[in-house]
Amino acid sequence: NAGVTQTPKFQVLKTGQSMTLQCAQDMNHEYMSWYRQDPGMGLRLIHYSVGAGITDQGEVPNGYNVSRSTTEDFPLRLLSAAPSQTSVYFCASRTGGYGYTFGSGTRLTVV
Amino acid sequence: AQSVTQLGSHVSVSEGALVLLRCNYSSSVPPYLFWYVQYPNQGLQLLLKYTSAATLVKGINGFEAEFKKSETSFHLTKPSAHMSDAAEYFCAVSFSGYSTLTFGKGTMLLVSP
Repeated sequence: NAGVTQTPKFQVLKTGQSMTLQCAQDMNHEYMSWYRQDPGMGLRLIHYSVGAGITDQGEVPNGYNVSRSTTEDFPLRLLSAAPSQTSVYFCASRTGGYGYTFGSGTRLTVV
Repeated sequence: AQSVTQLGSHVSVSEGALVLLRCNYSSSVPPYLFWYVQYPNQGLQLLLKYTSAATLVKGINGFEAEFKKSETSFHLTKPSAHMSDAAEYFCAVSFSGYSTLTFGKGTMLLVSP
């Protein structure tokens, strides 16, 4: 049981490049979400999913796409990276109870 | 919409002193409340959670928090700070089984010898 696994841990992108941040969980959790963390802003919700095939926008969805084809995986796509997307990204999953499990994060720098 | 306010972006205490980190929420329905800790360059670790059971919640590392509905507060306390408590602390709220988790902006706890 590995919990929530995020890859890569670090990434540097040039403006305009695209990439996918991977998130996988092996706990059979239905609910998964993506947050970004910026200094002084806390964690803000980007997108979330309540199950395979179902996604919805959070507080700061612009510039990001998601899909959920399986229960295990919830990738976050940046189609055209911008310096404003420099941040630390966290993936989290939740059971029907009250426990959230967070990944270790991806530190992204866009230059 | 649900929201969380953490008073004080930075709190400084001496080792052995009381730790008090403040969190207030806004909600029209009963909330579920959480405190998370983040050590430098690490992910988030759950300290404790309130899920409509006992209003005084005990967590890990000697921390506890009290849910006060009349004050819409969920302040985090620890009787005696340790140097190892230096970290950033986040209060968060959700409202139902599959509700999203909304975070406060965080409070950095600094502990001096």
